[in-house]
Amino acid sequence: DIVLTQSPGTLSLSPGERATLSCRASQSVGSAYLAWYQQKPGQAPRLLIYGASSRATGIPDRFSGSGSGTDFTLTISRLEPEDFAVYYCQQYGSSPYTFGQGTKLEIK
Amino acid sequence: QVQLVQSGSELKKPGASVKVSCRASGYTFTHNALHWVRQAPGQGLEWMGWINTNTGNPAYAQGFTGRCVFSLDTSVSTAYLQISSLKAEDTAIYYCARVPSSGGCYFDYWGQGALVTVSS
Repeated sequence: DIVLTQSPGTLSLSPGERATLSCRASQSVGSAYLAWYQQKPGQAPRLLIYGASSRATGIPDRFSGSGSGTDFTLTISRLEPEDFAVYYCQQYGSSPYTFGQGTKLEIK
Repeated sequence: QVQLVQSGSELKKPGASVKVSCRASGYTFTHNALHWVRQAPGQGLEWMGWINTNTGNPAYAQGFTGRCVFSLDTSVSTAYLQISSLKAEDTAIYYCARVPSSGGCYFDYWGQGALVTVSS
C-alpha cells in the first residue's frame, strides 16, 4: 500500500499569509494521481485539486497544487478566514486509494 | 445539480447490523462509480472500497472484507453500505463519494455523511 505522509501536522498562520502544505508518498504515485481535499468541522470533505495540479470546479485560484512522483504540495497564496480547516491528500494511482493523515491549518 | 444524500444517524448495540443509504440525484447513476470512506471520531479519512454502479460489482479494501457489504438499487439511484456484527470500533461517520465520469478514482462529490454509533 502507498503511505502518504503530510506535513506539518498543524500549521498556524494569519489571514493574508501564504500556506504551503506537503504530502509525501512512500512510492511513486503514477502519473500525478494525487488529489487534495478540504474538510471543515461537521462537513464532508470538498475536492480542491486533482491530477496534482488541476483545480476542481469553483475552487478559487489562490489554491494551487504541484508536484510529481512522491512529493506534492498544496499552496494557498493568500489565506482567507474561510480557508482554516483540515486538508487531506489522497493518491489514486493504485488501490487501495489511501489518504494522508491530514494537516490542520489554524489561525495564528 | 449533483447531490448525494445519505441516511441519518444510527445508534446500534454491539453485534447488531446497520444499513446506510446514499441516494444520488442530478446525474445518471450508473455512469459514475461510488466509493465509501470511513472517518472515526477525530480521525482522518479511510477508504473502504467501491461499487461499480453499472455492474453492481463491489471491491473492498483490506480490513473491510467479511462484515461490510456494498449494494445498489438502481431503480432509486441508491447505494447501500451494510455492516454486520458491529463493534465499538465501527463508530464513525461513513461517507459515500462519487468519482467523476472522466475517470480517475478521486471524489468530486460527497454525501453529507452518516454517523453510526455502536454502544451498549
